Amino acid sequence: GQSLEQPSEVTAVEGAIVQINCTYQTSGFYGLSWYQQHDGGAPTFLSYNALDGLEETGRFSSFLSRSDSYGYLLLQELQMKDSASYFCAVESNYQLIWGAGTKLIIKP
Amino acid sequence: DAGVTQSPTHLIKTRGQQVTLRCSPKSGHDTVSWYQQALGQGPQFIFQYYEEEERQRGNFPDRFSGHQFPNYSSELNVNALLLGDSALYLCASSSDGQGHQPQHFGDGTRLSIL
Repeated sequence: GQSLEQPSEVTAVEGAIVQINCTYQTSGFYGLSWYQQHDGGAPTFLSYNALDGLEETGRFSSFLSRSDSYGYLLLQELQMKDSASYFCAVESNYQLIWGAGTKLIIKP
Repeated sequence: DAGVTQSPTHLIKTRGQQVTLRCSPKSGHDTVSWYQQALGQGPQFIFQYYEEEERQRGNFPDRFSGHQFPNYSSELNVNALLLGDSALYLCASSSDGQGHQPQHFGDGTRLSIL
């Protein structure tokens, strides 16, 4: 079967750094995407890795290791507005296969 | 530059009815995908349309059907609605001609079945 595993919940302090891990098992793989979703809203694209290594976009960075079927999203200088659910999603055979999401709780 | 737009934003139906949801892709995008997201879960892939054809389909019954028009906009139709069809329906667009590009989502249609 196809599956993605990510922690259900992560708690961090405002201004800190947090890492959300994702491991995947899929029949095909073109890339790993990360999306942010606030309650009641739609997913917003954050980052995409097709090749091994680190991609940096402002306060957000994403890493991929294809040999380990593993990636992570790194959020720096956390702000209260970063409180949301974060999803990893694998692009495979024209579809996105999603994890169940990680709820990020930020405390002042 | 308009992003992905979906209509309606909210819809209430009863069991057994039929519904049509609409999506206009982001400017420059030619591929449209539909997802169903139940409360507290990740989105589930329904199908993808490219060049007015269904290119890939997820594990959804034939009650779910779609269409893509020459201007790349798309419709999702669901027949014989069940209570379990209550969910947020998301449309995403991408540009196939530029290789593997990330999908961009609309705000979704929240469908409630009574």
